[in-house]
Amino acid sequence: ILNVEQSPQSLHVQEGDSTNFTCSFPSSNFYALHWYRWETAKSPEALFVMTLNGDEKKKGRISATLNTKEGYSYLYIKGSQPEDSATYLCAFITRGGSQGNLIFGKGTKLSVKP
Amino acid sequence: SQTIHQWPATLVQPVGSPLSLECTVEGTSNPNLYWYRQAAGRGLQLLFYSVGIGQISSEVPQNLSASRPQDRQFILSSKKLLLSDSGFYLCASSFSGGLSNQPQHFGDGTRLSIL
Repeated sequence: ILNVEQSPQSLHVQEGDSTNFTCSFPSSNFYALHWYRWETAKSPEALFVMTLNGDEKKKGRISATLNTKEGYSYLYIKGSQPEDSATYLCAFITRGGSQGNLIFGKGTKLSVKP
Repeated sequence: SQTIHQWPATLVQPVGSPLSLECTVEGTSNPNLYWYRQAAGRGLQLLFYSVGIGQISSEVPQNLSASRPQDRQFILSSKKLLLSDSGFYLCASSFSGGLSNQPQHFGDGTRLSIL
């Protein structure tokens, strides 16, 4: 059974802190990794889609890296703000997997205190 | 950009009753469409996906079915709900082609409680 692990499960930081969390996935037959931000009472919003080993993507204060050989991705938030509070989901798909079958982790819930 | 309309936002149904959740998409033609469920304490699980009208693929055996009667309409149904069908249901879409490296756009979800 293919599994995606995200850690930590939850995280509480102060405004201005930088933080990061991890997504681990099976490294064999990797095809793509997605990151989503899911704010309470809103729909999940795509942050990044990453496909290449060593890929780094950035969107404002949020960035992500990808290591497909060892099967992990890091999401970084620089200078956290209260509006960054959300659950961050990662999802991956294997080469040869069912079309569109993203396998999601349970997410990391980030709370940023002002 | 794609906009996903999903309704209702919340639904409380008795065990054994039927279900119909509807999802419509704006802003794109021939999208790929998906139904996900998040059960308590678990990650999002793909239930069904569709690459075109009348084309439905099921990822897990279950008590639910899906249909796509029109290009931008995706319906999740059940003839008789079970307690285990409780959860948060999300509809999503993505541009057709290159399924795995296209981000998915999600609706606001339906919280379904079975009594």
